Order: sequence, then C-alpha cells, then structure tokens
Amino acid sequence: AQTVTQSQPEMSVQEAETVTLSCTYDTSENNYYLFWYKQPPSRQMILVIRQEAYKQQNATENRFSVNFQKAAKSFSLKISDSQLGDTAMYFCAFMTRDNYGQNFVFGPGTRLSVLP
Amino acid sequence: NAGVMQNPRHLVRRRGQEARLRCSPMKGHSHVYWYRQLPEEGLKFMVYLQKENIIDESGMPKERFSAEFPKEGPSILRIQQVVRGDSAAYFCASSPRASSYEQYFGPGTRLTVT
Repeated sequence: AQTVTQSQPEMSVQEAETVTLSCTYDTSENNYYLFWYKQPPSRQMILVIRQEAYKQQNATENRFSVNFQKAAKSFSLKISDSQLGDTAMYFCAFMTRDNYGQNFVFGPGTRLSVLP
Repeated sequence: NAGVMQNPRHLVRRRGQEARLRCSPMKGHSHVYWYRQLPEEGLKFMVYLQKENIIDESGMPKERFSAEFPKEGPSILRIQQVVRGDSAAYFCASSPRASSYEQYFGPGTRLTVT
C-alpha cells in the first residue's frame, strides 16, 4: 500500500523568508504523480504544484518549487519570499492511475504560519 | 466554466438523521471522487464513481454510507442515521477521464452532527 508521510505537523516562517516542507512516500510503483495542495482557512483545496515521477527536472511555479528525489522517495516543497497569504495547511499527495481511474493518497498535512 | 460545486457548504444534523451531500462536477467531467477529512487530518478516499457506476468504494464504511452518480444530476453521498463520528468535511473532486492526472476539488461540505 502507498503511504505519504509529512513529518512536520506545524511550521512557521517570517514573511519574505524561505521555508521548506518535507514529504516522503512509500510505493513500489514506477509511474506516479506527486502533488502539493494548499488548504487555507476557507478549506478549499488548491493545487500548488505537480511533479511527474518520470521527469527528473524539479517542478517550479513562481515562488513554489519542489526538490524531488525519486530514489529517496522524497518530495519537499520550498516556498520562497513567503507571504501572509501562504498561511494554510499544506498536503502532499501521491497519485497512480490505472485503466479505471486515479488513486490519490494524501499525507496528514503541515500547518504553515507566515508571521508578519 | 464553473468549478466543482458542492452543496450545502455547511450541514447540521442530529444523531439518527440522514445527511445528503451533493456534488456537481465540472462541465464535461464524468468521474467523481469523494473524500472525507476529519479534523486535523488529511483527506481519505471514500468512493470513486463514473456516471451510473460505482468503480471503487473501498474507502467507504460498510454501513450507513452510500453514493450514487446518476445519468442526470449531481453525485450524492448519503449518510443514514448519522453519528457524532461522522462530523467531518466531505470533499468531492472530478476529473474528465480516468487517464487524467489531476483532480479538481470542490469547496467541501462541513457536516456537524449534534
């Protein structure tokens, strides 16, 4: 069974600083996708960034980037120039597909607080 | 193109009542996934449906919970005889096809059982 672990239940960072959220996963699959979702107080799940496992290049979306280490099964999220609006729960997720559909597994989340 | 819609956003039920949660997928999406999020936890998969078919209900409790996605209308997650432990946020997500690599989430329904 696939599992996703986020070892940091809570983190805080000063505004404009950089923070890294950790995520590790366990799978025997070779083809999969990894995601980071943000859940602000509104509870809406917002996709932050996506990484295809077959791509060696780390994904980047503006201030958000990942460090994908496939051999180590690690997928950390780096947030640069943190903003107050980044305060939220962050969930790492792992997804595989088969002929029938998608199988998403979410980690327990990291609560990030950006301090003014 | 409207996103995934869920209603109601908040639902309060007394123990023993029934709860019906609705999910309208994005236009053109025929695959719907339901997740439950308990307080301070991540999302847990419950059930995956295509139009008129349940594909995978391995995450659904065996009793009191049912889901459907009729040919016309929204997908419905139904919880009979609710108990306090059913209090949670219920999210649905849709995707256009099985081979898609992304799910689009609705805003969730927060169910409170008193």
